[in-house]
Amino acid sequence: TQLLEQSPQFLSIQEGENLTVYCNSSSVFSSLQWYRQEPGEGPVLLVTVVTGGEVKKLKRLTFQFGDARKDSSLHITAAQPGDTGLYLCAGVLVFADKLIFGTGTRLQVFP
Amino acid sequence: ETGVTQTPRHLVMGMTNKKSLKCEQHLGHNAMYWYKQSAKKPLELMFVYSLEERVENNSVPSRFSPECPNSSHLFLHLHTLQPEDSALYLCASSQDSGSNTGELFFGEGSRLTVL
Repeated sequence: TQLLEQSPQFLSIQEGENLTVYCNSSSVFSSLQWYRQEPGEGPVLLVTVVTGGEVKKLKRLTFQFGDARKDSSLHITAAQPGDTGLYLCAGVLVFADKLIFGTGTRLQVFP
Repeated sequence: ETGVTQTPRHLVMGMTNKKSLKCEQHLGHNAMYWYKQSAKKPLELMFVYSLEERVENNSVPSRFSPECPNSSHLFLHLHTLQPEDSALYLCASSQDSGSNTGELFFGEGSRLTVL
């Protein structure tokens, strides 16, 4: 049973479009991280959210942690080809104090 | 120098070969990790080292043998692997004590193909 499901699995859009990626679970997390992995590279941390309902912005990226700390979303405004990559969420399980990774969303932005 | 460096970037080996993956971190972190990334599967934690001591081994087959001679270096020794072991092996470090809850800094990965 996968504890952290991401959707959609794949997303292919044109430059300038907006998109939202979701990270969902039935488990509660004490914190949640988002990473981006570009082709041929390792994942790079984008943000960490720790409080239920928290919203963090990183330029055109907006991250939200659900009120119950069971889910999170990543919204990208006016996507650019440089946003192309695999987006991974990773949460620290409250009951196990352990970091687990989501299934990933592969985003391709065409110019 | 980049924070976490891995060598080799690509490795092809037969099932009877012995090879090693190397990881070096230049961030002064206390913990180092090996993860396996396979297609269509989430990142899988393999090993965690904190201050050169192994603190977690996630039921990894004995054909994978980690070594951490100091807090900056981590190796993964490979022996008699199977084709299903083909994957991207990622090394990571973190500033915490290896509790596996902190923010991770990853290397670029070693792409392993087992023939």
